Parts: sequence; structure tokens; C-alpha cells
Amino acid sequence: GQNIDQPTEMTATEGAIVQINCTYQTSGFNGLFWYQQHAGEAPTFLSYNVLDGLEEKGRFSSFLSRSKGYSYLLLKELQMKDSASYLCAVRDSNYQLIWGAGTKLIIKP
Amino acid sequence: SAVISQKPSRDICQRGTSLTIQCQVDSQVTMMFWYRQQPGQSLTLIATANQGSEATYESGFVIDKFPISRPNLTFSTLTVSNMSPEDSSIYLCSVTKGEGTEAFFGQGTRLTVV
Repeated sequence: GQNIDQPTEMTATEGAIVQINCTYQTSGFNGLFWYQQHAGEAPTFLSYNVLDGLEEKGRFSSFLSRSKGYSYLLLKELQMKDSASYLCAVRDSNYQLIWGAGTKLIIKP
Repeated sequence: SAVISQKPSRDICQRGTSLTIQCQVDSQVTMMFWYRQQPGQSLTLIATANQGSEATYESGFVIDKFPISRPNLTFSTLTVSNMSPEDSSIYLCSVTKGEGTEAFFGQGTRLTVV
């Protein structure tokens, strides 16, 4: 079956750095996405990786290793507004998005 | 990008009734999807809305319970039929503009069935 694993919850301090990991086993691979979802709101797109390596976008970076079936989302200089759930999703060989359960990130002052 | 208007944003409905959710996109899109999200959980795909033909449903979801229309490339509806309290959830419309592109989401419909 297809499976995406990410931690259920993480806690970090304002101003610090946090890394959210995602491992996947899917039938084929056509890209990996990270989304941010604040409580009661729709997911918003953060990043997309299709080749191995690091993609940087301001305070957020995402890394992919296809051989290891692994990705992480790195958030730097954490702000209170970064408290949200972070969803990892993989597009499989049928171009269907397979979603992880999400990681709830709690930022403390 | 794509701007999606999803209506209603929330509703409280009596069991046994039906609710139709609308999804309007500001531009033509390739794919339109309907998801359900229970509180604190991830997204579950209900079906892919196909323009001009029957929707493609995922395992556990059937057309009689969740009829879907997609009359053109910018609009789709999802109906939740004969509702029960177990149907209480957030329903999300999502679109992509091509196979390699990201998905965009509507604001969601928070449905409570009493």
C-alpha cells in the first residue's frame, strides 16, 4: 500500500529552527509537496520538490532524497504565526496526491 | 495560481437532508477534486470531478451518497445526500492546472449534521 509518515506533533521555541520529517512509500513518484494549514482554514502551498536536494524559499526550506523516500521541511526564525499543521503529500505514478496525516507544530514564546 | 470560491463556508443540517457545495474557480483548470477532512486528521479524497462525465470515486465513496457535477472547466458541485451525523466534517474543493503543478484549495465547507 501507499504510506506517508510524519510526526504527529512537534513543539519549538519562537526564533528557533525546527525540522519536520516525512518518509514515504508510494507507487511511483512525481513530486513531493509541503502545505501549511492553520486551524479551521484550507491548506496553502509551501514548497515542491521533484529532484533531490534542497529548495529554499525565505525562512522555509524543503529537502528531498528520492532514494531514501525522505523529505524534510525546515523552518527558521520561527514566529508565533508558524503554529499550524504541516502536511506532506506525494504525487504517485497516477499523478494522484497521497497525503500524510500532518504534523501539528506548536510554537512557544 | 488559482482563486477558488467555495460555498457555503459552513452549514448545520438536519439528518436525512442533502447539502450541495459549490466550487467556482477563477480560471480553467485541468483537475478538480473533492476532499473530506475530519478534525485533526489529514485529507481523504472523495472523488475526482471529471468535466462532462461521471466523477471517479475513491474506495468507500459512492455516487448515490456523494453525487458530483462538473459542467465546465471552472465549476463543480458536491452533494452530500441523506446526511447523518457521521457526515459532519470539513469538505474541501481542490484544483490543479496540470499534472506537475501544485494543488490549490477552496476555503472549505464546515458541515455539522444534527
